[in-house]
Amino acid sequence: GQQVMQIPQYQHVQEGEDFTTYCNSSTTLSNIQWYKQRPGGHPVFLIQLVKSGEVKKQKRLTFQFGEAKKNSSLHITATQTTDVGTYFCAGQSGNTPLVFGKGTRLSVIA
Amino acid sequence: NAGVTQTPKFQVLKTGQSMTLQCAQDMNHNSMYWYRQDPGMGLRLIYYSASEGTTDKGEVPNGYNVSRLNKREFSLRLESAAPSQTSVYFCASSGGTASGAAFFGQGTRLTVV
Repeated sequence: GQQVMQIPQYQHVQEGEDFTTYCNSSTTLSNIQWYKQRPGGHPVFLIQLVKSGEVKKQKRLTFQFGEAKKNSSLHITATQTTDVGTYFCAGQSGNTPLVFGKGTRLSVIA
Repeated sequence: NAGVTQTPKFQVLKTGQSMTLQCAQDMNHNSMYWYRQDPGMGLRLIYYSASEGTTDKGEVPNGYNVSRLNKREFSLRLESAAPSQTSVYFCASSGGTASGAAFFGQGTRLTVV
């Protein structure tokens, strides 16, 4: 079945440093989504990417979808303490439900 | 607008007990999902319902049953709880299985002793 791998599992950064998490799928995706989960909270939808090579920005967050639609990345510029949490990618192929990666837990040291 | 509401928020069960986790959404979504979240394992799909009247197994269905009661409600039942089912359970809904964001409930923290 479809698998979504996400690295790294953990990332500790100093406040102001950049952060990137990567997502790779075993199959070609119809779309990929990104979610953020704060400690003790529930996953919250951030964005969906659909087109090959697509790049979207939300303030300090940049999301990319690979040309082959099998990989994606989330880059945060100049991290802040409010960025703390676990970031998940989730991929879909056709009508199958979302398959989540295991997430990257981001810690930001002030 | 409540979104996705799950009950209860916390539960402690003894091995062998049964319970039902309730989930309701008020966004008129077609698809609903149950995930479990364990440390280091991400979110794993237990069961989903692509539309009212249908249910399908996900990645980890053993030990669980579900009921799509109507378009709004999707319940998860543990018939005979086991310690391996200690986890955080999330219900989610989306417009359809092939499109749109998933909206999650607040989660149920279940401990089986």
